[in-house]
Amino acid sequence: GQNIDQPTEMTATEGAIVQINCTYQTSGFNGLFWYQQHAGEAPTFLSYNVLDGLEEKGRFSSFLSRSKGYSYLLLKELQMKDSASYLCAVSNSNYQLIWGAGTKLIIKP
Amino acid sequence: GAVVSQHPSRVICKSGTSVKIECRSLDFQATTMFWYRQFPKQSLMLMATSNEGSKATYEQGVEKDKFLINHASLTLSTLTVTSAHPEDSSFYICSARTGREYETQYFGPGTRLLVL
Repeated sequence: GQNIDQPTEMTATEGAIVQINCTYQTSGFNGLFWYQQHAGEAPTFLSYNVLDGLEEKGRFSSFLSRSKGYSYLLLKELQMKDSASYLCAVSNSNYQLIWGAGTKLIIKP
Repeated sequence: GAVVSQHPSRVICKSGTSVKIECRSLDFQATTMFWYRQFPKQSLMLMATSNEGSKATYEQGVEKDKFLINHASLTLSTLTVTSAHPEDSSFYICSARTGREYETQYFGPGTRLLVL
């Protein structure tokens, strides 16, 4: 089967750094997406990785290792507004998005 | 760019009635649109994939006669929940993508449906 695993919940402190991991097993691979979803709102696109390595975009970075079926989202200088769920999704060989259950990130002052 | 709108944002209806939700891509042509459902504290569940001008492809377990999808143009897809029941109450979200399969999906703001 196909599955995406990510932690259910994480807690971090304002101003700190947090890393959210995602491991996947899918039929084929055409890229990995990270989305942010605030409670009661729709997901918003954060990043896309299709090649191994680190993609940096401001305070957010995303890393991919295709050989390990592994990605992480790194959030620096955490702000209270970063409290949200972070969804990992993989595009498989049919370009179908397989979604993880999401990681709820709680930021404490 | 890549703005997707959804209407209505919130709807309350009586059991047995039908509800139509519209999804529009405002600044790009969406060859493919997706409809998701999300229950509280759960992840997104893909209901169906619709390509402009053709019939939608439904995921296993989703009743195509209950959830009617029409994708008549490159900027509009509609989801009609027919004979809605309280268990259909959920957050319905659409997303849109260009014809290029590797492109990112952009999400609409979602529609919260409450069936009484």
